[in-house]
Amino acid sequence: AQSVTQLGSHVSVSEGALVLLRCNYSSSVPPYLFWYVQYPNQGLQLLLKYTTGATLVKGINGFEAEFKKSETSFHLTKPSAHMSDAAEYFCAVSKIQGAQKLVFGQGTRLTINP
Amino acid sequence: DARVTQTPRHKVTEMGQEVTMRCQPILGHNTVFWYRQTMMQGLELLAYFRNRAPLDDSGMPKDRFSAEMPDATLATLKIQPSEPRDSAVYFCASGSTGKSGEAFFGQGTRLTVV
Repeated sequence: AQSVTQLGSHVSVSEGALVLLRCNYSSSVPPYLFWYVQYPNQGLQLLLKYTTGATLVKGINGFEAEFKKSETSFHLTKPSAHMSDAAEYFCAVSKIQGAQKLVFGQGTRLTINP
Repeated sequence: DARVTQTPRHKVTEMGQEVTMRCQPILGHNTVFWYRQTMMQGLELLAYFRNRAPLDDSGMPKDRFSAEMPDATLATLKIQPSEPRDSAVYFCASGSTGKSGEAFFGQGTRLTVV
């Protein structure tokens, strides 16, 4: 079975500071990994995904994530936080490629302090 | 701009009433997911369909929930009878096995059962 653990249900950073949201996964097969963002009263929007190939993945809004197989991690980072980054972020895993069911972590609420 | 459309966006109903939520997936997508989001449980997969056939509905309480795809442009999720514990945001998402795997989410139906 697959699972995702997001360390820290709430993360608070200052505007301009580094954003680091942690995600560890468990999977019996090579995983496909995703980060989604959810703004208040909205659905989930894909930030970035790792399927195969390069382990450093760049996404929208300046975010990137690195797949580290040895650490079973897929942490999300952004060098400089912006007020508009305040949202809830979800890490997700699926077994294979091609519109398969996603298993989500519990989410991390990111707050940006002015 | 292709998007998943869910109706209604908000629904308040009394315990015991039937609730029907509707979803129009993105044209050309062959996979539809229903997720439920609550504070306590996070995002849970209720059911998903591939080419209109149910692939997995193990996350759905069978006694009161039912999901169908009458045609390729409509997915429905019904609760009968509804209970206060069903209060949640219900998301529909769609994807394509021919693409790289991400699911595209609708804006959700916020259900309140009183």
